[in-house]
Amino acid sequence: SQQGEEDPQALSIQEGENATMNCSYKTSINNLQWYRQNSGRGLVHLILIRSNEREKHSGRLRVTLDTSKKSSSLLITASRAADTASYFCAPSSIQGAQKLVFGQGTRLTINP
Amino acid sequence: EAQVTQNPRYLITVTGKKLTVTCSQNMNHEYMSWYRQDPGLGLRQIYYSMNVEVTDKGDVPEGYKVSRKEKRNFPLILESPSPNQTSLYFCASSLGTFRILPGSPLHFGNGTRLTVT
Repeated sequence: SQQGEEDPQALSIQEGENATMNCSYKTSINNLQWYRQNSGRGLVHLILIRSNEREKHSGRLRVTLDTSKKSSSLLITASRAADTASYFCAPSSIQGAQKLVFGQGTRLTINP
Repeated sequence: EAQVTQNPRYLITVTGKKLTVTCSQNMNHEYMSWYRQDPGLGLRQIYYSMNVEVTDKGDVPEGYKVSRKEKRNFPLILESPSPNQTSLYFCASSLGTFRILPGSPLHFGNGTRLTVT
């Protein structure tokens, strides 16, 4: 099954700055999803990018996908204190197992 | 409101005392799954179900049981809990299986924090 590995493990920035998180994976995918987890709560789906897309936007979120490098990035622009959370990527493929596998995530802290 | 509901939110129990964590979704989702989350180990899948009466093991199924008698419910059963099952548990559901609907987003419950002493 697919597993994404997020990098960095932790990121601390000032409110208003942009935050960039990266995800790498090992085999071919059909799509990749990003999730957010507030402390101790369930994960929340943020955005999905398909393998034939290179970039996708949703509000202050921008996701890129480079299938040749097997990597994705999540950019949060104009960060807010409420963006403080852990962020996970989840690649998936039709050939893969019947599950999404999550890595350790990137723990993002937005300082006021 | 579309949601996945887990109960209880917190549970403290003793070794060997059988317990059940309930999970219910109101979105008519076919796929349901249980994860546990531990520091340094991330989220690991325990069991999943692709439809009623269809369940299968995830990565860490030992010590757990599940059942899927109705589409909306997917309880997690610990027949004889042990301290190494102390963890944060999440139930999740999705519209379809990943082979049929790849990229179906997972909807998570708010978690059950279990402590086994």
